[in-house]
Amino acid sequence: AQKVTQAQTEISVVEKEDVTLDCVYETRDTTYYLFWYKQPPSGELVFLIRRNSFDEQNEISGRYSWNFQKSTSSFNFTITASQVVDSAVYFCALSGTRNQGGKLIFGQGTELSVKP
Amino acid sequence: EPEVTQTPSHQVTQMGQEVILRCVPISNHLYFYWYRQILGQKVEFLVSFYNNEISEKSEIFDDQFSVERPDGSNFTLKIRSTKLEDSAMYFCASSRALGYEQYFGPGTRLTVT
Repeated sequence: AQKVTQAQTEISVVEKEDVTLDCVYETRDTTYYLFWYKQPPSGELVFLIRRNSFDEQNEISGRYSWNFQKSTSSFNFTITASQVVDSAVYFCALSGTRNQGGKLIFGQGTELSVKP
Repeated sequence: EPEVTQTPSHQVTQMGQEVILRCVPISNHLYFYWYRQILGQKVEFLVSFYNNEISEKSEIFDDQFSVERPDGSNFTLKIRSTKLEDSAMYFCASSRALGYEQYFGPGTRLTVT
């Protein structure tokens, strides 16, 4: 079965702190895709990043960085120098290839609160 | 920048009534999806649609649900006889290919009373 676990339900930091959101996944597929989405208080789901299972290079985009490690089935997300606007629920998601439907399996989400 | 749109933004209906939620996916995308999110919970997959047919559906997507692409732009989700537990935010999404990022619409909040 495919599963995504985000063990951190809520995280609270003070502005300018660095914060890492954890994501652990399970799949039997050899080819799969991992994603992070942001859901701000307004409720929409905003795509942040996609990785495929063959690309373990870490990625940095501004204050955001992602660490993908197949050996530990983890795809963690770090926000450097957090800002109040980063306050949101962050979802990690997995898409396998076995059923060919492309569905995303979401984790429970981590609610990040950045205080001024 | 192209985006997925959904109407209405909020729908209130009585138990047992039929509702149709509408979505306009991004124009050059080929795969379409419906998800739902009960308040405060995670996002759950309902159904994926490609080449005018359902390619995958979850156990939530039972006989009371149906999807349709009635023309070249709209993608609809119909709930035939709503129940209280259908109250949720329903998101439509589209992607250009399998495994690619899915872009989500702003959602329709369905309230069943």
